Amino acid sequence: GENVEQHPSTLSVQEGDSAVIKCTYSDSASNYFPWYKQELGKRPQLIIDIRSNVGEKKDQRIAVTLNKTAKHFSLHITETQPEDSAVYFCAASPGGYQKVTFGTGTKLQVIP
Amino acid sequence: GAVVSQHPSRVICKSGTSVKIECRSLDFQATTMFWYRQFPKQSLMLMATSNEGSKATYEQGVEKDKFLINHASLTLSTLTVTSAHPEDSSFYICSARGTSTNEKLFFGSGTQLSVL
Repeated sequence: GENVEQHPSTLSVQEGDSAVIKCTYSDSASNYFPWYKQELGKRPQLIIDIRSNVGEKKDQRIAVTLNKTAKHFSLHITETQPEDSAVYFCAASPGGYQKVTFGTGTKLQVIP
Repeated sequence: GAVVSQHPSRVICKSGTSVKIECRSLDFQATTMFWYRQFPKQSLMLMATSNEGSKATYEQGVEKDKFLINHASLTLSTLTVTSAHPEDSSFYICSARGTSTNEKLFFGSGTQLSVL
């Protein structure tokens, strides 16, 4: 089955700096890669996703890149703000009705 | 985005009793629902996948007779923890997707189960 590894497990950045979270996946059949943000005690919220037919996608301060050959994908947050502090999960899925496998999470702390 | 409602948000029960958790898609038809267990400061551990009208597919190590999943309609899935024990105490969270969500998964708000 799919195995998704995520690094780092914790990340502290100064407000205004950029944050990068990296994930790798094992199943070459995976073609859908969402990222979720989970604040303490709340449900995971989808913040951005990318499909395997594109290499990069951007939404304001958030961007995701995908390297299918290397089976890597990354989340980039620019101009970080204290409200970006949360746990971020990457995930991978073959799509359709198949399951979504989550990474182990990255706790991001943005220091004001 | 699509809305998924999960109830109850918190439940405390005695050891040996059963607890039912509901997960509803409010504004879309959920062809697939997933149930996860999340320990403090840890990732989402998939327990089972349920497609409407079919038997749930359980992940390895998850006891299907202990964690009963029913997905009888396109808007409702239930997870019943049978004969709960203290080690079943955890945060349980569902997610759902359908043809209208374009593969995007939407999560319920979770249920904190405490078994005394």
